[in-house]
Order: sequence, then structure tokens, then C-alpha cells
Amino acid sequence: NAGVTQTPKFRVLKTGQSMTLLCAQDMNHEYMYWYRQDPGMGLRLIHYSVGEGTTAKGEVPDGYNVSRLKKQNFLLGLESAAPSQTSVYFCASTLPPPQETQYFGPGTRLLVL
Amino acid sequence: AQKVTQAQTEISVVEKEDVTLDCVYETRDTTYYLFWYKQPPSGELVFLIRRNSFDEQNEISGRYSWNFQKSTSSFNFTITASQVVDSAVYFCALSEAIGGGSYIPTFGRGTSLIVHP
Repeated sequence: NAGVTQTPKFRVLKTGQSMTLLCAQDMNHEYMYWYRQDPGMGLRLIHYSVGEGTTAKGEVPDGYNVSRLKKQNFLLGLESAAPSQTSVYFCASTLPPPQETQYFGPGTRLLVL
Repeated sequence: AQKVTQAQTEISVVEKEDVTLDCVYETRDTTYYLFWYKQPPSGELVFLIRRNSFDEQNEISGRYSWNFQKSTSSFNFTITASQVVDSAVYFCALSEAIGGGSYIPTFGRGTSLIVHP
């Protein structure tokens, strides 16, 4: 049981490049989330999904897109990376309420030059 | 205004001291969930506790205890006899319903706890 995994662990991009971050969970969780963590800002929700085929915007969605084609995977895309997107990205998954404890992936460190 | 306020940005203590991390939240919902997570220097996020809004019973787990008071919208976390391994950033989070049975969490900005030997 791997829990929540994230790929890649670390990436360096140039401004304007695109990339996709992959989150995978093997716990059959319905809900999945993408957060970014910046110093002094805590975790801010980018996008989330309450089930396969559904996505919704969180607090800071601009510059990101997501897809949830399979229940176990939640992809975060950056179409044209900007230095402001330098951050640590965390994926999380949960069962629906009331079993709503979030299980987090190990994080992806992204540096945009 | 922040929905979850962790007013203490950083706390520094000496080993064996007791320390309380404050968390104040804001919500109009009657049903909500509160959480604490720990993020050690290695970077992963570790779940510590979940509490629903109907359960105001305080909880103790070893050296950790949590005090939930709806009257003051607070969910404070106390570490008794702190240890160096407790050094981490601690996040408080609030999960509220957004409709359709979905709950969306909001995190505080975290409190960095440094425990000196």
C-alpha cells in the first residue's frame, strides 16, 4: 500500500515551459486535492476533485489546470510556468465526510527560473 | 480575514518545557472539522488529530493534548514535556461544507516549533 505518491520529486523549469505533476493514490479515495506551500503562507488549495471526471477551483487556481480521468490519479498542469509558481506542491486524498482525514503525498519541489 | 489563524509564527522552547500552539478559526457552519498536522524538517505532512464540531471533548494522546472550545472558536494543541523531535511546523486546518456534501479544508499559516536540547 503506497498511499499517495507524487511524480516528480523535484523539477527545474524555465519560464514559459510546461509540465504536468502526477498524483496517484491506491486507497480508493474519492476526493483529491492539489496544494502549494510557500514560506509563511501555509498550504493553499489550487484545485480539487470530488470524484472521477470532476474538478473544481480552489483558492489559487490561476495558471494551473487539472484533470481526473481516473479515480486514482489527479494531474496538475502548468501550461506556461512563471517564477511565481516556484513552490512545493502537495497532493492529498480523502474519503468523503465524515472519514475526512487527508493523506498527503511527499511533495514536489518546483523551481521556475 | 483568515479563516484559520495561527497567531504564533514561531515558538522556541527548551526541552521538557510544555508548549501550547494556538488555533482560532472562523466559520458560520454548524458542522465542520478541525485538524492538526505536523510537518517535520523532512517535509512530509503528518496527520495528528481530527475533531468534528459536535465533539468538544478534549483529547490526550501521550504527550499531546488538544483543547477544543466552540465558545471561543479555538482548537489549541499542547505538547507536554517537549522533546527535540517535536521540532516541526504545525498546521491547524478547518474543513467546511461547500455544498453537495463536499468539504474543503483551509489551513492556517503554521507555527514553527523549535525545541532546544
